[in-house]
Amino acid sequence: DVKVTQSSRYLVKRTGEKVFLECVQDMDHENMFWYRQDPGLGLRLIYFSYDVKMKEKGDIPEGYSVSREKKERFSLILESASTNQTSMYLCASSINRGRGYTFGSGTRLTVV
Amino acid sequence: KQEVTQIPAALSVPEGENLVLNCSFTDSAIYNLQWFRQDPGKGLTSLLLIQSSQREQTSGRLNASLDKSSGRSTLYIAASQPGDSATYLCAVAPAGAGSYQLTFGKGTKLSVIP
Repeated sequence: DVKVTQSSRYLVKRTGEKVFLECVQDMDHENMFWYRQDPGLGLRLIYFSYDVKMKEKGDIPEGYSVSREKKERFSLILESASTNQTSMYLCASSINRGRGYTFGSGTRLTVV
Repeated sequence: KQEVTQIPAALSVPEGENLVLNCSFTDSAIYNLQWFRQDPGKGLTSLLLIQSSQREQTSGRLNASLDKSSGRSTLYIAASQPGDSATYLCAVAPAGAGSYQLTFGKGTKLSVIP
């Protein structure tokens, strides 16, 4: 089975800090995605990547950036964390759309 | 733009009951539809993936059907158990070339009462 690992289950950061959320998949998937999930708003796509060093903006990229230096790792960066970025962050990967997505276990980020 | 709707938002049933969760989508040009389960505070676990050419998929007590032309999918859970309590989400992948982004419903929160 594909495994998607998010390095932290819970994080508490201060406003203004630079925050890195890490995601690693072990099945050589080309496609990786970052979502945030908020009550009443559902899952919203932040950024995605189809290949190494390639990135595309999703629906809500403001305040975020990403890095994909290696195929297995996709990092989400909050350049200057704000309280409205308190959320559950979910990483996913996919080999192609025909095989569906595999999600990580999520990172609950609280910005104080 | 694709929209995915799941009704009801919450459902409570007694243990042992068979139940159906609904998912509807506005654009029938889909590649596939995926059902997920999410436990509180956790990530999403894939349950079933139905390709656009398929009518249904089964896994254990779960059966998912797809009617692409009417924009509907159902997830049938047989003989429900308290361990089935979770939020169930459906998501569709578009048929257009090059786009891999899923569109999610907001989920149905299921409670199975012992």
